[in-house]
Amino acid sequence: AQSVTQLGSHVSVSEGALVLLRCNYSSSVPPYLFWYVQYPNQGLQLLLKYTTGATLVKGINGFEAEFKKSETSFHLTKPSAHMSDAAEYFCAVSGGRGSTLGRLYFGRGTQLTVWP
Amino acid sequence: GAGVSQSPSNKVTEKGKDVELRCDPISGHTALYWYRQSLGQGLEFLIYFQGNSAPDKSGLPSDRFSAERTGGSVSTLTIQRTQQEDSAVYLCASSLEQGAHQPQHFGDGTRLSIL
Repeated sequence: AQSVTQLGSHVSVSEGALVLLRCNYSSSVPPYLFWYVQYPNQGLQLLLKYTTGATLVKGINGFEAEFKKSETSFHLTKPSAHMSDAAEYFCAVSGGRGSTLGRLYFGRGTQLTVWP
Repeated sequence: GAGVSQSPSNKVTEKGKDVELRCDPISGHTALYWYRQSLGQGLEFLIYFQGNSAPDKSGLPSDRFSAERTGGSVSTLTIQRTQQEDSAVYLCASSLEQGAHQPQHFGDGTRLSIL
């Protein structure tokens, strides 16, 4: 079975500070992992994904995430926060096989606030 | 634009009425997914289509919910005899093909409010 846990429903940082959003997953098959961002009254926008290969994945808007199998983690980071990064962030793992193939299992989300 | 289009963007209806939500996927995308986003439950999978068939309906919360897809393109999600607990944002997503590695592209959702 697949599941995702996002630690911290709210994270606040100052503009220019490091952003770290935590995600741990559980998967019965090799996982495919995704981070999405949601701005108010909008759908989800893909930030980055891990499928296979390099464990450090770079995405849009300066975000990156590192897949650590030993820790079952896929934390999202950005070296320097910008006001425009304020949004809700969702980590997701993809269903692995059979009828659940491709289905996404989401964490509960982390609301990022950026202070000036 | 060329993204996933959902309509209506907002729907307010009375308890007991039927509602129909529409999703136009990205052209050429064969896989289509419906999710529900609510404060209490977060993002929940409802159903997905590969072409016109729906291999996985396991996420539909009750038999009041149904969905269809015609011509491998447009999909409609129908909720019959709506209840207040159906209030949520209904999100549609599409991907180029079914696959665990395929990124899903989301529409802006339909915000459904049941009075």
